[in-house]
Amino acid sequence: DVKVTQSSRYLVKRTGEKVFLECVQDMDHENMFWYRQDPGLGLRLIYFSYDVKMKEKGDIPEGYSVSREKKERFSLILESASTNQTSMYLCASRLAGRADTQYFGPGTRLTVL
Amino acid sequence: SQKIEQNSEALNIQEGKTATLTCNYTNYSPAYLQWYRQDPGRGPVFLLLIRENEKEKRKERLKVTFDTTLKQSLFHITASQPADSATYLCALDTPMIKAAGNKLTFGGGTRVLVKP
Repeated sequence: DVKVTQSSRYLVKRTGEKVFLECVQDMDHENMFWYRQDPGLGLRLIYFSYDVKMKEKGDIPEGYSVSREKKERFSLILESASTNQTSMYLCASRLAGRADTQYFGPGTRLTVL
Repeated sequence: SQKIEQNSEALNIQEGKTATLTCNYTNYSPAYLQWYRQDPGRGPVFLLLIRENEKEKRKERLKVTFDTTLKQSLFHITASQPADSATYLCALDTPMIKAAGNKLTFGGGTRVLVKP
């Protein structure tokens, strides 16, 4: 059974803190993605990675960075958390082929106070 | 960039009826279009994929159509059940620059509520 796991389901942080969200997939997928999801705004792509140490900005990368040191792990970093980064964060992975299913993790509900 | 529109209003439907959801896109026609289901507080789960040369695809009580002329996909849930209540997202593949494979661009989703 394919699996994408995220380090936390719920997280509460304070403004200015550095926040790490971790995602691990066990399917040997090349592509990994970080999204945030907010009511009325849908899923918005923050960053994606198509190989180890390779990354590309998505639609809303400001305030975020990512790290992919190993193929199975993709981390999202909030360098200095702000209240407008309170959101549901979803990680996903996918094979590099065009017709492939995207597998999502369960999500991390982050609240920044 | 590709714009995807799904009806943002919730669809309330009686158990046993057919729910029909619409996904419209504005730019180029993708080679593939996918539909996902999302339950509250959970990540989306893949349901169906349809290729541009396929008019219709079925999986159990689900049916998807893809009309590249109208730039539209319809998603049908037949004989709906309360357990079908969820948000349904359509997604189109979008070429990634400098990278292998495509990324998916998602619509905002339509919430379906099936009443017993």
